[in-house]
Amino acid sequence: AQKVTQAQTEISVVEKEDVTLDCVYETRDTTYYLFWYKQPPSGELVFLIRRNSFDEQNEISGRYSWNFQKSTSSFNFTITASQVVDSAVYFCALSEARDSNYQLIWGAGTKLIIKP
Amino acid sequence: DTGVSQNPRHKITKRGQNVTFRCDPISEHNRLYWYRQTLGQGPEFLTYFQNEAQLEKSRLLSDRFSAERPKGSFSTLEIQRTEQGDSAMYLCASSLGQEAEAFFGQGTRLTVV
Repeated sequence: AQKVTQAQTEISVVEKEDVTLDCVYETRDTTYYLFWYKQPPSGELVFLIRRNSFDEQNEISGRYSWNFQKSTSSFNFTITASQVVDSAVYFCALSEARDSNYQLIWGAGTKLIIKP
Repeated sequence: DTGVSQNPRHKITKRGQNVTFRCDPISEHNRLYWYRQTLGQGPEFLTYFQNEAQLEKSRLLSDRFSAERPKGSFSTLEIQRTEQGDSAMYLCASSLGQEAEAFFGQGTRLTVV
């Protein structure tokens, strides 16, 4: 069965530290998509990245970077030089065709607290 | 287009009353999703539409919940005879196709008293 695990319930770091949020997924499909969303205190889910299963190239966008490793079924998210505005709940999600018809399967989220 | 819009932002209702929420997706998006989220949890899938067709409905969704997307544009989610357990944030999202990323609205927070 498909599943997304975010083992870190809450992480607290001091501003300017680097922080990595872990995401491990399970799927039987060979074609699937992985996502990260940010949910700040205002509540709106903000799309950060989408990665398909055939593209294992790591991605960097400013202070954000993502490490996709099919061998370990992981799609980890790193924030470099964290800022207070990065404080939010971060969700990892999976969509695939076989078992879920591209429905988003969500992890439980990791609450990130950046202290000034 | 300013993104996915949901109304109202907040709704407080008495138990047993009916409520209806509206979602206006991004205009060219053919897929529209409804999710429910309770505190400390990830979003829980409720239902989705491809254009005006409702293609899937969660087995967790009771018969008191109904959703429509009559012209393939905006959608409504109605909850009949609300219960305290229905209190949650109701999120709407839209996407351009089944494999594309979904964009979310700000949600409607429902409180049943």
